[in-house]
Amino acid sequence: EPEVTQTPSHQVTQMGQEVILRCVPISNHLYFYWYRQILGQKVEFLVSFYNNEISEKSEIFDDQFSVERPDGSNFTLKIRSTKLEDSAMYFCAGKGSGETQYFGPGTRLLVL
Amino acid sequence: KNQVEQSPQSLIILEGKNCTLQCNYTVSPFSNLRWYKQDTGRGPVSLTIMTFSENTKSNGRYTATLDADTKQSSLHITASQLSDSASYICVVSSNSGGYQKVTFGTGTKLQVIP
Repeated sequence: EPEVTQTPSHQVTQMGQEVILRCVPISNHLYFYWYRQILGQKVEFLVSFYNNEISEKSEIFDDQFSVERPDGSNFTLKIRSTKLEDSAMYFCAGKGSGETQYFGPGTRLLVL
Repeated sequence: KNQVEQSPQSLIILEGKNCTLQCNYTVSPFSNLRWYKQDTGRGPVSLTIMTFSENTKSNGRYTATLDADTKQSSLHITASQLSDSASYICVVSSNSGGYQKVTFGTGTKLQVIP
């Protein structure tokens, strides 16, 4: 059964550094999402992406964040200058024409 | 403001017993409600999805109910197994202007003990 994959599984970075989190969605999916989950807290929506552009973003998704799908395969989340409070689990999700979103295993980001 | 509240926050049950998890929401306009299972450190996995017109949906030992009038949903787990230990998250979606807005609940942490 096809799965959403994410790399890296863990990333440790220094405050102020740029990080790129990568996701490979299921091939026939059309809608893509990034979520984050701070340790012990609930999952929070960051951004949705459709037809090569952002369709919606939350207030968390400020100018430090960007997404792109450069090659029709990978879907990336870039954090330009990381802050301590960016430490979280970041989940990518995708969906096709149905309603169910399929989540990846997540990338655990730790900002020191 | 869209909100999804879940109860209880945590629950411990004996293997083989049944349990019911609750979800109350204030999300408008309502599109669908999903229950996810999230193992520690992993991504959520979809269990059920229900639209406005559906009252009950089953997936193996999981049965979800939806009362759109009272804006409540429940997830019933039958004959629990140790592998059911996880967080169960209620997620409500709304569709407005073609955009899907997703609101996550805080989850119920279930522990099944032998």
